[in-house]
Amino acid sequence: DVKVTQSSRYLVKRTGEKVFLECVQDMDHENMFWYRQDPGLGLRLIYFSYDVKMKEKGDIPEGYSVSREKKERFSLILESASTNQTSMYLCASSLFGQGALGNQPQHFGDGTRLSIL
Amino acid sequence: ILNVEQSPQSLHVQEGDSTNFTCSFPSSNFYALHWYRWETAKSPEALFVMTLNGDEKKKGRISATLNTKEGYSYLYIKGSQPEDSATYLCAFSSNTGKLIFGQGTTLQVKP
Repeated sequence: DVKVTQSSRYLVKRTGEKVFLECVQDMDHENMFWYRQDPGLGLRLIYFSYDVKMKEKGDIPEGYSVSREKKERFSLILESASTNQTSMYLCASSLFGQGALGNQPQHFGDGTRLSIL
Repeated sequence: ILNVEQSPQSLHVQEGDSTNFTCSFPSSNFYALHWYRWETAKSPEALFVMTLNGDEKKKGRISATLNTKEGYSYLYIKGSQPEDSATYLCAFSSNTGKLIFGQGTTLQVKP
């Protein structure tokens, strides 16, 4: 079974801090994704990566950056945390799949519930 | 802006009832439609990925259908059990490959 591991289940940080959320997958998947989930809203894509050192902006990239130095690891960085970044963050991975991103199921981690005070 | 709508937002049924919910998505630039089940305190789990108009997929008591021309998919659960209680998410993929998720349908099955 695919295992996607996020470094923390719960995290509390202060406004202005630089915050790192780590995600590791063990199935050699090419694609990795970061989402946030807020009440009343669907999962929203922040950034994704389809290869090492490659990254693409999702729908809500403002205030975030990412790093993918190794295939198995995808990090989400909050450059200067703000209270409106308090949310549940989910990492996912998938196979590349016939040259496209969207036709392979995504495998999710358990999520990190981040609170910014 | 691409929009994916799921209805109902929440649903309460008795054990043994059959139920279904709807996912509506843009009918243009369709590439794939995903369904996920998200149980409390767990990670979302993929149920189905459907790509062809008229597709029907089944996994145990859960099945899904797809109509890409009119932009909707139905998820059916036959004989609901308490362990089916979860939020069911659908997600639309256009040719960009990115998934656009709906808000989910939360199902509660009472014993």
